[in-house]
Amino acid sequence: QSVLTQPPSVSGAPGQRVTMSCTGSSSNIGADFDVNWYRQLPGAAPKLLIYGNTNRPSGVPDRFSGSKSGTSASLAINGLQAEDEADYYCQSYDSGLSGSVFGGGTKLTVL
Amino acid sequence: QVQLQQSGPGLVKPSQTLSLTCAISGDSVSSNSAAWNWIRQSPSRGLEWLGRTFYRSKWYNDYAVSVKSRIIINPDTSKNQISLQLKSVTPEDTAVYYCVKYESSSRGGWFDPWGQGTLVTVSS
Repeated sequence: QSVLTQPPSVSGAPGQRVTMSCTGSSSNIGADFDVNWYRQLPGAAPKLLIYGNTNRPSGVPDRFSGSKSGTSASLAINGLQAEDEADYYCQSYDSGLSGSVFGGGTKLTVL
Repeated sequence: QVQLQQSGPGLVKPSQTLSLTCAISGDSVSSNSAAWNWIRQSPSRGLEWLGRTFYRSKWYNDYAVSVKSRIIINPDTSKNQISLQLKSVTPEDTAVYYCVKYESSSRGGWFDPWGQGTLVTVSS
């Protein structure tokens, strides 16, 4: 059972917008710790997609955006492309556990 | 550009010690702004942070509660690398293990980059 809760799957057609959520608690996201997002392609290591709630590393298209409110965060992908099909994970810090915590991941399917 | 190159055996017997190393290039293990972590991933446990080592005038270590009694993460400044030792392993420790750099910020931090991953299977 992951500390951060993500929906197991989301899907969308090419060109559409999809969003996925990440729900935490008062000891992590709600304690004002930043949320980060990672994308993992099959057989590869996770790769940083969004950091500090809303920031994109260089090379990440502006189709990807992050937001945070209260004890939750969201990742939005505009103009869905076939290559976006992957697993997406959120991550934050938990003061009760004194360490980083992850969501269980959301599998994005491009229809 | 920081790169992390992991090495170590892919098969460990139950009750023995899992040992991995992570060679760092493009940065220093003694960096005053980074921390060097081990994270594992398995179908049953998902992504699980195991622990970290970092230097802030002296060396510090933090470990996840779930493995605290069995884990040691050591820096090696002469080789610019870190190591992971996980003792008394069981089949539940079977996972892909990642070495990862953590960039600290005022409200947490983020993991980037990740090593290539090492699949470690615990089996007799």
